[in-house]
Amino acid sequence: EVQLVQSGAEVKKPGESLKISCKGSGYSFTSYWIGWVRQMPGKGLEWMGIIYPGDSDTRYSPSFQGQVTISADKSISTAYLQWSSLKASDTAMYYCARVPRATRIHFDYWGQGTLVTVSS
Amino acid sequence: DIQMTQSPSSVSASVGDRVTITCRASQGISSWLAWYQQKPGKAPKLLIYAASSLQSGVPSRFSGSGSGTDFTLTISSLQPEDFATYYCQQANSFPSFGQGTRLEIK
Repeated sequence: EVQLVQSGAEVKKPGESLKISCKGSGYSFTSYWIGWVRQMPGKGLEWMGIIYPGDSDTRYSPSFQGQVTISADKSISTAYLQWSSLKASDTAMYYCARVPRATRIHFDYWGQGTLVTVSS
Repeated sequence: DIQMTQSPSSVSASVGDRVTITCRASQGISSWLAWYQQKPGKAPKLLIYAASSLQSGVPSRFSGSGSGTDFTLTISSLQPEDFATYYCQQANSFPSFGQGTRLEIK
């Protein structure tokens, strides 16, 4: 069974750094891209970027380029999303999801989400 | 950027009804469209990909159609567990989602 299990909820202050994780199991982690999707409170879905854990090839949405860093550690089947300096506007639910093909991206399996709250 | 517009934004329906949700792309995307279902407090779930291909395990009452710029998701006979928010997503270029359609119980 394909599973993506994300790290727990975080409460941070503006300016702090954060790294959240997404651990894959039940499939070959290095053979599929992993994407990250943001959902702000009460809002819709926004694609942030994708990474291929096999070689760490990464592609970002123009809206998120430079704002976050996506990485992966294939030895432990885990992908990461990190911020160097959080803002209140980063408050959102963040989902990781498996991408079944490198082009024509859609998401077939999703993590349970990590809620990030940034507040002073 | 390709903009995706769903209609209606919300719809009320009863168990057993047939419901259709529409998604329009700002430019042609061939058949590169996916549909997701999201229930409150849960992650989205893939229903349809490539406009009309049913994801494994998804009930056959869900179907998708369309190509180019206009697409539809149809639920043939609503079940209680289908009341949720539905999103379309274009996969022709960098992914973008529609704003969502909330399906509520009448």
